[in-house]
Amino acid sequence: EPEVTQTPSHQVTQMGQEVILRCVPISNHLYFYWYRQILGQKVEFLVSFYNNEISEKSEIFDDQFSVERPDGSNFTLKIRSTKLEDSAMYFCASSENTNQETQYFGPGTRLLVL
Amino acid sequence: QKEVEQDPGPLSVPEGAIVSLNCTYSNSAFQYFMWYRQYSRKGPELLMYTYSSGNKEDGRFTAQVDKSSKYISLFIRDSQPSDSATYLCAMTGGSTLGRLYFGRGTQLTVWP
Repeated sequence: EPEVTQTPSHQVTQMGQEVILRCVPISNHLYFYWYRQILGQKVEFLVSFYNNEISEKSEIFDDQFSVERPDGSNFTLKIRSTKLEDSAMYFCASSENTNQETQYFGPGTRLLVL
Repeated sequence: QKEVEQDPGPLSVPEGAIVSLNCTYSNSAFQYFMWYRQYSRKGPELLMYTYSSGNKEDGRFTAQVDKSSKYISLFIRDSQPSDSATYLCAMTGGSTLGRLYFGRGTQLTVWP
């Protein structure tokens, strides 16, 4: 069964450093998303991406965040200058073109900013 | 934000029990309602989704949506220890279709 994959599973970084989180969405899906979950809190929407551009972004997704689809399979989230409060689980998700509500999530990347 | 409210539990039931999980919401534009299961330190796994009001059944799971009350439920019949997980409700619709709003999740333990 096709699934969303994410790398790395864990990332530890120093405050102020740049990190890139990587995702490989399900191959025939056209919408891609990033969410985050701070420990003990709700899963929160960050950004959606379609046709090589951002469709929607939340108030969390400020100038330090960016997304990219550098090739036909990868989808990345970059955090330019990490802050302590960026520590969270980051989930990538994807959906088919006509079913944006049915999103399939990857296993997540646990980011710890020290 | 109080878009979606969900009692975090924990909820502990014996094997074989019927489990009822619920969420309330405030945004009347929501049209799609999903239930995800999340095991510890894993990604959410889509269990079921429902469009608008009504019931949907899939094996031991039944999802109900009452849009007039802004209330959704997930029932698990004949619960098993393998059902032990956190259950997240999520919803979307209207101009923000594709942006999922999640509840906090209810932690469920089914003991043998």
